Amino acid sequence: GQSLEQPSEVTAVEGAIVQINCTYQTSGFYGLSWYQQHDGGAPTFLSYNALDGLEETGRFSSFLSRSDSYGYLLLQELQMKDSASYFCAVRVYNNNDMRFGAGTRLTVKP
Amino acid sequence: EAQVTQNPRYLITVTGKKLTVTCSQNMNHEYMSWYRQDPGLGLRQIYYSMNVEVTDKGDVPEGYKVSRKEKRNFPLILESPSPNQTSLYFCASSPDRGRSSYEQYFGPGTRLTVT
Repeated sequence: GQSLEQPSEVTAVEGAIVQINCTYQTSGFYGLSWYQQHDGGAPTFLSYNALDGLEETGRFSSFLSRSDSYGYLLLQELQMKDSASYFCAVRVYNNNDMRFGAGTRLTVKP
Repeated sequence: EAQVTQNPRYLITVTGKKLTVTCSQNMNHEYMSWYRQDPGLGLRQIYYSMNVEVTDKGDVPEGYKVSRKEKRNFPLILESPSPNQTSLYFCASSPDRGRSSYEQYFGPGTRLTVT
């Protein structure tokens, strides 16, 4: 089967760096994606890792290690507007369905 | 403007009364999908479609139907809604080729309450 595990909540202060982990148990997938969702809004795409290693997009970076069945989203220079839920997701081999983690609620405090 | 639209945005209905939630995208995407979102459970895929006339079950398809007669539209049908289908529903689309296939565009969501 496929399951993705994320911490349910993370709290950090403005200007800090926070890492949101995603561990998975899956038989095979194309890559690891990350989405952001503000309260009352729709998920929006943040980043994608097809290969092992680090992908950087501005203040956000994402990392994947297939050998460790692990990935993370790194948010730097945190801003109040980064308070949101963050989801990791995979697209599964063979049948192409999408699996999401339960989400991590990030609270950024002044 | 590139977008995914859903209608209605809010719906309150009664058990057993058939309903359809429409979804349309204007980006010529091949892949379309429906999700439901419940507290603590994240997004769970209901059905997806790789292209016209091609649909497949996701993680939680029971009680739902879909169709893909045109590339841009992917309606979600609840033939006999039940209270356990009360949820927030999202439609999403993406290209089906290459790296961009992993960037899903989500509609604004439909909040459904079944009493």
